[in-house]
Amino acid sequence: DVKVTQSSRYLVKRTGEKVFLECVQDMDHENMFWYRQDPGLGLRLIYFSYDVKMKEKGDIPEGYSVSREKKERFSLILESASTNQTSMYLCASSRGQFTAFFGQGTRLTVV
Amino acid sequence: SQELEQSPQSLIVQEGKNLTINCTSSKTLYGLYWYKQKYGEGLIFLMMLQKGGEEKSHEKITAKLDEKKQQSSLHITASQPSHAGIYLCGAANTGNQFYFGTGTSLTVIP
Repeated sequence: DVKVTQSSRYLVKRTGEKVFLECVQDMDHENMFWYRQDPGLGLRLIYFSYDVKMKEKGDIPEGYSVSREKKERFSLILESASTNQTSMYLCASSRGQFTAFFGQGTRLTVV
Repeated sequence: SQELEQSPQSLIVQEGKNLTINCTSSKTLYGLYWYKQKYGEGLIFLMMLQKGGEEKSHEKITAKLDEKKQQSSLHITASQPSHAGIYLCGAANTGNQFYFGTGTSLTVIP
């Protein structure tokens, strides 16, 4: 079975903190994604990576950065967390345009 | 921009009833994916449809893709409380980026 694992289910951080969200997949997928999900707005793509050290901005990259040093790991970084970044964060991986598989999600609260 | 419109936004049904969720794209789809999300959790892949007119079933859930590959429906027969959650349709663009509809929240009343 494909497994996409996010490092935390729940996180509470203070405004201004640097926050790292980690995602690991075990299927050798070249594509990895970070989304945030908010009520009424659905899933919005933050960043996308199609290869090691490669990244592409999604629809809402402001306030975020990413790192992909190894194929299986894709990290989302909030350089200086703000309350409007309180959200559910979802990581996914895929091969080409084939099915994307998701992690269990990280609910981040910034206080 | 690529958009997927889902309807209805939310649905409340009595256990045992049938229901249908729709997903419409303004563009021809390469593939259409259906996911289910339990509240507060990640997305679980249900089915993928690629060919026009294709229909797939898994247990009591059937998904169809129309001939033009722009509209898909998800049908649940004899709904159960375990079917409750958010159903999302998704698609991939030529850049291999996945995008999603806003979801349909399903509540099944015992």
